[in-house]
Amino acid sequence: KNQVEQSPQSLIILEGKNCTLQCNYTVSPFSNLRWYKQDTGRGPVSLTIMTFSENTKSNGRYTATLDADTKQSSLHITASQLSDSASYICVVSDRGSTLGRLYFGRGTQLTVWP
Amino acid sequence: DVKVTQSSRYLVKRTGEKVFLECVQDMDHENMFWYRQDPGLGLRLIYFSYDVKMKEKGDIPEGYSVSREKKERFSLILESASTNQTSMYLCASSFRQGANEQYFGPGTRLTVT
Repeated sequence: KNQVEQSPQSLIILEGKNCTLQCNYTVSPFSNLRWYKQDTGRGPVSLTIMTFSENTKSNGRYTATLDADTKQSSLHITASQLSDSASYICVVSDRGSTLGRLYFGRGTQLTVWP
Repeated sequence: DVKVTQSSRYLVKRTGEKVFLECVQDMDHENMFWYRQDPGLGLRLIYFSYDVKMKEKGDIPEGYSVSREKKERFSLILESASTNQTSMYLCASSFRQGANEQYFGPGTRLTVT
């Protein structure tokens, strides 16, 4: 069964600190993995996308890593800001899906305190 | 920029009412999706459509129907709203081929009393 698991479920950090969010998946055959950021009351917005051959990808203070062998990904946030407070959702798609169906993790709720 | 709009941000309906949620995208995407999002459960796919007048059931289609009469518009219909359909509803769209990025609308917070 295709599944995506995220940890931790929630996280509180102080402004300026770094943090790392985890994602494990069983989706097969793997196509790509995205991290989405969802602000409260908004729709999710894509932060990064990683394909099978990519190990690391950065988007400003966000750096995603992918280990396709162990089926794990992480999202590292550097020098956190108050605006980073949001839910971060790991989303995996499979190569067998021509219609773009996605498998969603339940998200990590990040709160950044001043 | 891709824009996906939803007809309402907040909606309050009574049990038994028929509810229409509208979604419009302006990027000529073939695929459109309806999800619901509940605390602790993440996003769950209700229905999707890969072409005009085409629809496919997602993981939780019970109690819902959809309509796609035009390429840019995808409607979610609750034939007889129930309190367990209180949720955040998100529409998304994407190009057809491959695992392309889905672009999400802002969501509709539906409360059924």
